This record gives sequence, C-alpha cells and structure tokens, in this order.
Amino acid sequence: EVQLLESGGTLVEPGGSLRLSCAVSGFPFSSYAMTWVRQAPGKGLEWVSSTGGSGGSSYYADSVKGRFTISRDNSKNTLYLQIISLRAEDTAVYYCARIDEYDYGGYLDNWGQGTLVTVSS
Amino acid sequence: SYELTQPLSMSVAPGQTAKISCGGNNIGGKNVHWYQQKPGQAPVLVIYSDKHRPSGIPARFSGSNSGNTATLTISGAQAGDEAAYFCQVWDTTTVIFGGGTKLTVL
Repeated sequence: EVQLLESGGTLVEPGGSLRLSCAVSGFPFSSYAMTWVRQAPGKGLEWVSSTGGSGGSSYYADSVKGRFTISRDNSKNTLYLQIISLRAEDTAVYYCARIDEYDYGGYLDNWGQGTLVTVSS
Repeated sequence: SYELTQPLSMSVAPGQTAKISCGGNNIGGKNVHWYQQKPGQAPVLVIYSDKHRPSGIPARFSGSNSGNTATLTISGAQAGDEAAYFCQVWDTTTVIFGGGTKLTVL
C-alpha cells in the first residue's frame, strides 16, 4: 500500500524558516517524481515544487523561487521542502504527492494527508 | 503563463448528471487530470489523462477533452460526490491547477 506522511508543519513567525518532510512507503521511491502542493485556508490548490526521481532536477512556482528548496533522500524514502523567509501568505496546508512519471508530466496519483504551516507573529 | 478556468460552483440534483468544465487555450492538446477534494481531506485522483479512471473510482465518473474545454462528467450524482473538483495540466515543467469547482448535490 502506497503511503505518504508529511510532518514538520508548525506555527512560525514571519521571516522564520522550517523544513517539511514527507516519508513514503509502499513503492520504489527513486523511480518516481514527487511534488509539493499547498492550499491556503478556504482556497484552491497551488503547485509549489517538483523533483525528479534522482533528485537531479527540480522545478518551482514563481511565487516561491529563491525561498523554497525541494530535495529528497532516496536512501531514507523521504522528500523534503526547506522554506526560508516565511511570509503570511505562505500559511497553508502543504501536501506531498507522487507523480506518475520519473521526472515531470504525469498525474498526481497518491497524496499525503497534509501538514499545516501557519505564519503569524 | 497557462491558465485553467473552472466555474466556481455548481449544483446538481441527486441522480442527475453534473458536467464540470475546465477551460484553457487549446487544452485539447494536453493531458488533463481531475481531482476530488472533500472538506478536511486530501485530494483524490478521479480521472487521469482526459478520460481514464484509477482503480476504485466509480464508473459514473468520466472525462473528455477537446478544443478549449475539458469536462468531468458525473452521471447519477450521489450525495457522497459533493466536493470540490480541480482540473490539472502541465505547462512544460510547471503544474497548473484550475481554481476548483464546488459541487453541491441537492
């Protein structure tokens, strides 16, 4: 059974940083691209970043470039999202999802339950 | 940048057919995927590559894509289908989501 479990969401002050993690199981992690998608309260889905199976390629939404860094540790079956210089508008539930491709272009066939990041003083 | 346009909301009576549109420039040339999201839950893939259903998704869910509009059709809508629905495509290496459609079954 495919499972994705996010963690690391918390309350953080503006300007702060944090790292989200997504631990996966039930499939060959290194064979799949992975992605982060966020959802602000009461809003729609917003793609944040994706990375290929090897971790050698990464892609970002313009709204997060320079502040977010996606990475993966295939030996630990874990996806990460490092966020710096947090802003109020980064407040959202952050989901990790598997992409049914090695690099990009597929559908998001499995999602985690999400982790909430709240940016507030 | 590429944009996808969905109606904000729509309603359907139980047992009737709901058609949710997703508009985009020449979207017929792209693969469109659809996700269902119920309140407090993560999104679930219901249609991939325009018209294919993942295992476990009821046959009342179907999809089509042509020209500038992709459509998710729910035939014989049930109360449990009440949810937000999002379409999604890729624009080169970027994931694009539609704004979402809140479907009410009443």
